Amino acid sequence: DSGVTQTPKHLITATGQRVTLRCSPRSGDLSVYWYQQSLDQGLQFLIQYYNGEERAKGNILERFSAQQFPDLHSELNLSSLELGDSALYFCASSPTGADSYNSPLHFGNGTRLTVT
Amino acid sequence: AQSVTQLGSHVSVSEGALVLLRCNYSSSVPPYLFWYVQYPNQGLQLLLKYTSAATLVKGINGFEAEFKKSETSFHLTKPSAHMSDAAEYFCAVSTGGATNKLIFGTGTLLAVQP
Repeated sequence: DSGVTQTPKHLITATGQRVTLRCSPRSGDLSVYWYQQSLDQGLQFLIQYYNGEERAKGNILERFSAQQFPDLHSELNLSSLELGDSALYFCASSPTGADSYNSPLHFGNGTRLTVT
Repeated sequence: AQSVTQLGSHVSVSEGALVLLRCNYSSSVPPYLFWYVQYPNQGLQLLLKYTSAATLVKGINGFEAEFKKSETSFHLTKPSAHMSDAAEYFCAVSTGGATNKLIFGTGTLLAVQP
């Protein structure tokens, strides 16, 4: 058990809809990262938050947004969903976000999103 | 910009045989490298990490990796494969600094034959 909790485990929704994925980081971890895993794109970094503030952006679509709350949990919002958004979405956490290049990321078990 | 390349999307070995999963990196600065494993329907689990302390890094489950700067490689090995090693393995490089995000390779699916 990594200590990172993601809910829900599975989500099935229709095109055009909006969903929210939730992540609770390991106790004490300040950084939260979101990754998307799909067959054609592999593991893609989406966005990072550190102690409530956005720290880095990757290949995140404008239809997607995220935030980190004061209690450090994070939510990833996906809107105007398309078939191609079907993927496994992972959240990861690490203790710090600054100069912690050797701190491994701890991953949750992911949310599998299916858009029909 | 940092990147990693994993050679071979599928590797099949017999139980008891040597496991060798290849990873080459590209980095303009000294890299920090990681290997993760993903079992079916699970998240990624850290196997080992290289942070410049030693070139031969030992990880969990009997895996190890050797950092070779001259070859820009960080291959993962295990002397004797077990059936339970069947999973997907990802090599990753850390961007370091304030963001510390991981850039992953495309993964290698390891099959272990009885």
